[in-house]
Amino acid sequence: EAGVAQSPRYKIIEKRQSVAFWCNPISGHATLYWYQQILGQGPKLLIQFQNNGVVDDSQLPKDRFSAERLKGVDSTLKIQPAKLEDSAVYLCASIRGAGGLYNEQFFGPGTRLTVL
Amino acid sequence: AQSVSQHNHHVILSEAASLELGCNYSYGGTVNLFWYVQYPGQHLQLLLKYFSGDPLVKGIKGFEAEFIKSKFSFNLRKPSVQWSDTAEYFCAVNAPNRDDKIIFGKGTRLHILP
Repeated sequence: EAGVAQSPRYKIIEKRQSVAFWCNPISGHATLYWYQQILGQGPKLLIQFQNNGVVDDSQLPKDRFSAERLKGVDSTLKIQPAKLEDSAVYLCASIRGAGGLYNEQFFGPGTRLTVL
Repeated sequence: AQSVSQHNHHVILSEAASLELGCNYSYGGTVNLFWYVQYPGQHLQLLLKYFSGDPLVKGIKGFEAEFIKSKFSFNLRKPSVQWSDTAEYFCAVNAPNRDDKIIFGKGTRLHILP
């Protein structure tokens, strides 16, 4: 089965610009996660979707970050405007069903964002 | 808040050496525990997990981890490492009866000398 797809793989922008990342989870996976991984740290959960609904966005900086999963499949994560501290790898992951982490989480390759 | 500590940030070993990577977490309630691995140029992937039952968990590629509740630890072990084990290893914890978030440690970068 195809894995989690993410694009772009790399993005370089200047601070105050906007950027969007796209994720296509594994077919049939109801639960989708976006993580931020800053260099030298582990992934930090930003937002969790189940189908097209938000389950948890408590760690999403909502003043500048937004995410959507309109049809319960693909998802986009947007940053507007970007700050220097947003430089990180943005990871998307998906899980089959709604059983939480009892099912294996599959990760995409990530998008490496550099904010200058 | 929950936290996960990985004591070794960078470990260098020779092939055939034994490996133990430390992981401690802070939450005292029911936890699910995970080790993830990221090989160079590859995606993050699950190595092993503990939910309940036997505290000694066996994962892929000869790895195992032991959950010691009294020590809040979930250390990863492998009796004899190979050059192909060079990777970054992340410990993670999830408290299903609390907020159900998964919290990752900062990772341990393992380098195996051929």
